[in-house]
Amino acid sequence: GENVEQHPSTLSVQEGDSAVIKCTYSDSASNYFPWYKQELGKRPQLIIDIRSNVGEKKDQRIAVTLNKTAKHFSLHITETQPEDSAVYFCAADSGGSNYKLTFGKGTLLTVNP
Amino acid sequence: NAGVMQNPRHLVRRRGQEARLRCSPMKGHSHVYWYRQLPEEGLKFMVYLQKENIIDESGMPKERFSAEFPKEGPSILRIQQVVRGDSAAYFCASSPPSFTGSNGELFFGEGSRLTVL
Repeated sequence: GENVEQHPSTLSVQEGDSAVIKCTYSDSASNYFPWYKQELGKRPQLIIDIRSNVGEKKDQRIAVTLNKTAKHFSLHITETQPEDSAVYFCAADSGGSNYKLTFGKGTLLTVNP
Repeated sequence: NAGVMQNPRHLVRRRGQEARLRCSPMKGHSHVYWYRQLPEEGLKFMVYLQKENIIDESGMPKERFSAEFPKEGPSILRIQQVVRGDSAAYFCASSPPSFTGSNGELFFGEGSRLTVL
């Protein structure tokens, strides 16, 4: 089955700095790679996703890159703000079934004012 | 437009009791998915259902766990004879049919946190 590794597990940055979170996956059939933000006790919320037919996608301060050959994808947050503080999860679909997501263990991002 | 609604938000059970978790998908969504999140772990897929049909239950434990999505009413995840290892947050998600065809996204509910004493 799919295995998703995510690092770092914790990340602390100063407000205004950039944050980068990296993930690797094992299933070469994976085609869908979403990123979720989860605040304490809240629901996971999709912040950006990328499908295997593109290498990069950007939405304002958030960008995701995908390298299918190397089987890794990354989340980039620029100009971080305190409200970006949360746990971020990467995920990859399994066997091409985009509803069957395998999540990484999460990165606790803390943005210090 | 109400989001995915789950209840109860918190549930405490003693070992051996039954737990029932309910999920109402977003309006217009006919596909429901259950995920489990153990402490300090990512979510893990359990089951995918459409109305009156289990489409994929490859992530469900073989015993004690069952799920349904009846023609009327919410989807229900049922755990019989709970054990301490069942303590987790159980998240329901829903999507429109187009999601499985590579469009759209999964919308998660707030989760039901089960504690087994």
